[in-house]
Amino acid sequence: AQSVSQHNHHVILSEAASLELGCNYSYGGTVNLFWYVQYPGQHLQLLLKYFSGDPLVKGIKGFEAEFIKSKFSFNLRKPSVQWSDTAEYFCAVTDSGAGSYQLTFGKGTKLSVIP
Amino acid sequence: GAGVSQSPSNKVTEKGKDVELRCDPISGHTALYWYRQSLGQGLEFLIYFQGNSAPDKSGLPSDRFSAERTGGSVSTLTIQRTQQEDSAVYLCASSLVGGEAFFGQGTRLTVV
Repeated sequence: AQSVSQHNHHVILSEAASLELGCNYSYGGTVNLFWYVQYPGQHLQLLLKYFSGDPLVKGIKGFEAEFIKSKFSFNLRKPSVQWSDTAEYFCAVTDSGAGSYQLTFGKGTKLSVIP
Repeated sequence: GAGVSQSPSNKVTEKGKDVELRCDPISGHTALYWYRQSLGQGLEFLIYFQGNSAPDKSGLPSDRFSAERTGGSVSTLTIQRTQQEDSAVYLCASSLVGGEAFFGQGTRLTVV
């Protein structure tokens, strides 16, 4: 079965620092890739997604992610974080390998931005 | 409705009691997921329904947990003989096949 690894459990940054959160999935094939964000006290919402085409995907609030097929990676980036980016970030993958398109999530990365 | 609806939003129950949690997915979404989110534990997959296929129950933590989805729409997650370790936020999500999952606000279950 597909698995998703998020290498950083908790990241602490100062405002204006650059952000990169790692995400790797376990095997290839046709995959759809997602990043979700959960702000404190709120429900999970989509940040960005990749289905096909340009591997550099731009999402809301200045976030972007790059799909590197050869590395099975879909890292999330932001050039300059803000205090309001404090949240938990989840990477997720669906793949058609088993025909089910089941969504598999990573364990999440908590981001704390210090003003 | 426009989004995924879960009820109740909060549930406090006594240890040993049974509870039912309800999820109304977005109309037309054939895929439905249940997850559990405990403090500091990330998202724990419980069960996945896709159309008329047999559900993937591989994430259910024990036989006290069960779920059904009637008519390809509403789903109910049942926890029998609740234990304190069952306390968590239970999240439901729905999607089109392979698409973006939309999450409900969750049900916060507290077992006392």
